[in-house]
Parts: sequence; structure tokens; C-alpha cells
Amino acid sequence: QLVLTQSPSASASLGASVKLTCTLSSGHSSYAIAWHQQQPEKGPRYLMKLNSDGSHSKADGIPDRFSGSSSGAERYLTISSLQSEDEADYYCQTWGTGIPRVFGGGTKLTVL
Amino acid sequence: EVQLVESGGGLVQSGGSLRLSCTASGFTFSTSEMNWVRQAPGRGLEWISYISSSGSPIYFADSVRGRFTISRDNAKNSLYLQMNTLRAEDTAVYYCARDLGAIDYWGQGTLVTVFS
Repeated sequence: QLVLTQSPSASASLGASVKLTCTLSSGHSSYAIAWHQQQPEKGPRYLMKLNSDGSHSKADGIPDRFSGSSSGAERYLTISSLQSEDEADYYCQTWGTGIPRVFGGGTKLTVL
Repeated sequence: EVQLVESGGGLVQSGGSLRLSCTASGFTFSTSEMNWVRQAPGRGLEWISYISSSGSPIYFADSVRGRFTISRDNAKNSLYLQMNTLRAEDTAVYYCARDLGAIDYWGQGTLVTVFS
């Protein structure tokens, strides 16, 4: 079964960097994922598609501070030079042929 | 500019029905796969249904299979979600979302509240 696992929470200081992790279930380490951001009281926003080789394509308007990388079954979202508006929930999402779309449980990022 | 605008949410009694609509613009709807995703209060995102550009195949989450129906009218650039036998646990904001495998555009959402 295709499952995405995320830590429920993360925190980092203003101006610092943070690396969020999304782990694919066993047997699915080749899958690409998408990262989405949901700021408080807002709808989700697509950030980027991240492939298993670490290559990624960001949505229009997403700052260079946001980047993605991969290692095995893990997919990462790194946010550098943290700003207050980066405080949000971050969700990973994946898909496959004949497989319904799947979301991770989300990581709540607190900017200290 | 891509836009997805949901409508049809509201207050409904447990056991009742509701039909959500999503009107798309700014892209070629007829060749796009689409989803409905919901978010219960204080909870994470839950994918609930997918429809291909042609209308088949269709997928549903276990939580709504047999109660919800997804459909589309490509001539009207519209996506629908027919929700029957609603339960309190269906209370959520419902989002329409475009699908390229990765979901790349989201609507603003419409709130459905089911009361007993």
C-alpha cells in the first residue's frame, strides 16, 4: 500500500533553514511526489514536483528559498532564510498509474 | 490565469445530499484530470475522488465510496461531486484540484457542514 509519512511538527528560527521529510512506503521508493503549502486559514498551494533523482520543478512564483531533494525513499523540502510567512502546514502528495492520489499527514512548521 | 471556483457547499442534515460544483478557467479543462480533496476542521488533507479527462477511470477513497459520485461536463468546464447519505464526519472544506499526477492547482474550497 502506498503511504506517505511526515513528522507532525518542525520548528526553526527566523532566517535559518529547515529540512522537512516525506517518506514513501516500502516498495515505492521510485515515486515522485509533490509538495504543497497551506498557510493558516488559507487553501493549499502547490510548491513543486520532486522526482526520485532529486530533480524538481517549482510552481511559478515560488521563491528560490524553496528547494527539493531525494534520497532513497525519502523526499525533502528545504526552506532557507526562513521568513514569518513560511509558517504553515506542508503536505507531500504522490500518485501512480491506477493508484488514487495519496497525501501525507502534513508537517506543521513553526518559525521561531 | 488558472482558476478553479467551487460552489454548492452549505449546511445539510445527516443523511441528506448535496451537489458541489467546480468551474474551471484559464486552461484546457477537457484534457485535464481532476480531483476532489477535503479537509475536516483541524485535520489534514484527504483525497476523496479522481476523474480522468474523459470521465473514465474514476477512483474514490474508501471513506466515500458508494455514497459519493464524481462527474464532469467538459462542454461547461465543470466538475461535480454528488454527495449522498451524508454523515457528520463528512463535515469539511471541499477543494477541487487539477491533476497532472502532481496536483498543481487548487480551488479556494467550499465548506460543507453536516448536522444531526
